[in-house]
Amino acid sequence: NAGVMQNPRHLVRRRGQEARLRCSPMKGHSHVYWYRQLPEEGLKFMVYLQKENIIDESGMPKERFSAEFPKEGPSILRIQQVVRGDSAAYFCASSPPTVPGYTFGSGTRLTVV
Amino acid sequence: DQQVKQNSPSLSVQEGRISILNCDYTNSMFDYFLWYKKYPAEGPTFLISISSIKDKNEDGRFTVFLNKSAKHLSLHIVPSQPGDSAVYFCAASENSGTYKYIFGTGTRLKVLA
Repeated sequence: NAGVMQNPRHLVRRRGQEARLRCSPMKGHSHVYWYRQLPEEGLKFMVYLQKENIIDESGMPKERFSAEFPKEGPSILRIQQVVRGDSAAYFCASSPPTVPGYTFGSGTRLTVV
Repeated sequence: DQQVKQNSPSLSVQEGRISILNCDYTNSMFDYFLWYKKYPAEGPTFLISISSIKDKNEDGRFTVFLNKSAKHLSLHIVPSQPGDSAVYFCAASENSGTYKYIFGTGTRLKVLA
């Protein structure tokens, strides 16, 4: 009965490289959410996805960031041409439909050097 | 504009005493509220929730109070235990169906043995 699985736990990228963060939701959960936590700040909503659909991406930066949740496989948050300001903890959460509140994964800590 | 505010960044409480964590919000459309607990290097863990149709919800040692007119909620932990030492986030959502939550910046609770 695995929870929300995120990998990798830690990711180091040089400026200009691409970062790919993966999230497998809990079994039976069809809704996936990505949040970002910058140092000393709260969690900021980025995007809400259902299978093959982006429902709300109002928190995603307009450039370099994209997210998908394909029919098969994990949800992917992709950051192209990373910059130092992208260094943060990225948390994925999932929920079943119609049930408020979600279960978070342990996060991916991205460090851009 | 911070719609959910946790004005106390930290709180220290003696073991066995009551811990009271506060949260204020500005958006009157928020109608569902959650509290999460977060240990270092882990994802947030759901603690307790409350809908705007209630003013109190209890779960064991944890009680959440909601004052809609003041746009204020609080989490009471009684009795406090050293294992409760963590960062506590409150989060709020509108009834938009997307369950996008706005998080506060967190309060670091330290329970002293």
